[in-house]
Amino acid sequence: AQKVTQAQTEISVVEKEDVTLDCVYETRDTTYYLFWYKQPPSGELVFLIRRNSFDEQNEISGRYSWNFQKSTSSFNFTITASQVVDSAVYFCALSEANRNTDKLIFGTGTRLQVFP
Amino acid sequence: GAGVSQTPSNKVTEKGKYVELRCDPISGHTALYWYRQSLGQGPEFLIYFQGTGAADDSGLPNDRFFAVRPEGSVSTLKIQRTERGDSAVYLCASSSHGDGNYEQYFGPGTRLTVT
Repeated sequence: AQKVTQAQTEISVVEKEDVTLDCVYETRDTTYYLFWYKQPPSGELVFLIRRNSFDEQNEISGRYSWNFQKSTSSFNFTITASQVVDSAVYFCALSEANRNTDKLIFGTGTRLQVFP
Repeated sequence: GAGVSQTPSNKVTEKGKYVELRCDPISGHTALYWYRQSLGQGPEFLIYFQGTGAADDSGLPNDRFFAVRPEGSVSTLKIQRTERGDSAVYLCASSSHGDGNYEQYFGPGTRLTVT
């Protein structure tokens, strides 16, 4: 069965701290895609990154970085030098490519609060 | 360019009534998705359209829920005999392709409240 687990329900940090959001996934497929979305208080989901299962290279985009490890079925997200504007709910999601659908399977999200 | 738009932004209805929720995808996007998000949860898949046809409707909870996309662009999610448990934010997303290798862009959602 396909499943995404985000064990951290809520994280609070002080501005400028680094923070890592964990994501563990389950799938039977060998080809799949992983995503992170941000949902700020306004409510609209914002796409952050997509990673396919054949590309295990870590990725860095400004203060954001992602660590994909197939051996542990994890796709963790780190924010360096967090800022108040990073406060949001972050969702990890999985899409399986070997089916007639590319629906996203979301985790339950991690609420990040960054205090000044 | 314009993103995904959804109307209405809020809808309050009485139990037992019929409602329609509308989604306007990004122009040119062939794939369209509906999700439902309850408070404190991640979005849950409802239905996926590729063009005019529903390629996957496995997430629709029961036969009170139905969606159409007659011309391959705008989609309408229809809920009959609404129940209080249908209260949630209904999200629409679109993608340029439907093969998982392209991100889905989400609209702002319609908050449905069934009283």
